[in-house]
Amino acid sequence: EAGVAQSPRYKIIEKRQSVAFWCNPISGHATLYWYQQILGQGPKLLIQFQNNGVVDDSQLPKDRFSAERLKGVDSTLKIQPAKLEDSAVYLCASSLDNEQFFGPGTRLTVL
Amino acid sequence: AQSVAQPEDQVNVAEGNPLTVKCTYSVSGNPYLFWYVQYPNRGLQFLLKYITGDNLVKGSYGFEAEFNKSQTSFHLKKPSALVSDSALYFCASTNQAGTALIFGKGTTLSVSS
Repeated sequence: EAGVAQSPRYKIIEKRQSVAFWCNPISGHATLYWYQQILGQGPKLLIQFQNNGVVDDSQLPKDRFSAERLKGVDSTLKIQPAKLEDSAVYLCASSLDNEQFFGPGTRLTVL
Repeated sequence: AQSVAQPEDQVNVAEGNPLTVKCTYSVSGNPYLFWYVQYPNRGLQFLLKYITGDNLVKGSYGFEAEFNKSQTSFHLKKPSALVSDSALYFCASTNQAGTALIFGKGTTLSVSS
């Protein structure tokens, strides 16, 4: 069974630039999550999708972050414009029931 | 506020000795509890989970965890540590809505030979 795929694995940008991350969940998994993991901290949920609908985006900084899952499969997370404090690993996860499977993450560095 | 606490930033043990990584949670209701492991430049890997039933849960790679409802704890244990167990361990709980996970800050386990 293929795991959760994410790209790119690494990204370095200047502050105020835009960036987008892509996630392909495990086939058949209806629920998709994006987490932000800042160095030295545990992952924090940004947004949760059930199929192509948003379940929880209460911790998503909506003035600069956006996410979509148009066809209920792949998802993209965008940051526009980026700030220094957005430097983190962005993890995508998917689940079928109560167990979440995580991708390798995208490490973002904002200079 | 809902939270998961891992009181130790780092745990050091010698190979062959038992290990314990501590976790307590503060989430209303009956949350599901999880342990994940993270190796450098890798995603989180599932170790084990507690949903209901027996308080001692067995998981991958010889790890187990003990659920204690009165102490709201879910400590990770292994009878005999291996050097290859050295990694970053995260405890997590489902949130009150039962949807997403709340993670602790992580505990670095270092096993010396």
